[in-house]
Amino acid sequence: DIQMTQSPSSLSASVGDRVTVTCQASQDISKFLNWFQQRPGKVPKLLIYDATSLQTGVSSRFSGSRVGTDFILTITSLQPEDIATYYCQQYDNLPYTFGQGTKLQI
Amino acid sequence: QVQLVQSGAEVKRPGASVKLSCEASGYSFNNKNAIHWLRQAPGQPFEWLGWINTGNGNTRLSQKFQGRLNITRDTPATTAYMDLSSLTSADTAVYFCVKGGRPLFDSWGQGALVTVSS
Repeated sequence: DIQMTQSPSSLSASVGDRVTVTCQASQDISKFLNWFQQRPGKVPKLLIYDATSLQTGVSSRFSGSRVGTDFILTITSLQPEDIATYYCQQYDNLPYTFGQGTKLQI
Repeated sequence: QVQLVQSGAEVKRPGASVKLSCEASGYSFNNKNAIHWLRQAPGQPFEWLGWINTGNGNTRLSQKFQGRLNITRDTPATTAYMDLSSLTSADTAVYFCVKGGRPLFDSWGQGALVTVSS
């Protein structure tokens, strides 16, 4: 199985900050990576697919990038509603696998 | 709009089976689409269980669950089902059905808590 190593596990930031979350795949997954946001008590919401494509309706404050097997989620101009846990997930190989999550606090 | 509505919470004894449903609407259920099943156990990352091609009924299951997981669908009812047997406390989790296709996992059911306890 492909291991997805996500860091940091938690993150504290202030309104207006720029934050980054990193996910490293244990092998090449090409561009096949999703980023999700899960607010407390809610269902996950797809933010970014194919590593860099912004899902329809998602704020342009969210962006994704890729360098080899390293993937980065960037959130600019942090807002209170961004309090959530963020997950990466690969869909290059079955079984699809997720990172452990990054809990963002403001 | 796409909606996936799951059946409710279940409490099961160890060794029992659970069958969850996921009713889909707002898209073409049987035309080159799929439903995936995932779960989120307390303190654990999301885990992918398997998926069903809702057009032809073909399935792919995680090897971890081979032999005790079955995924089916009822095309006229636009509903997918997940049947997990030989339950243990390790199967206590929130189970989600999620729409396949492109982009992958863009629509989720509301989740169903399965509690396995004696």
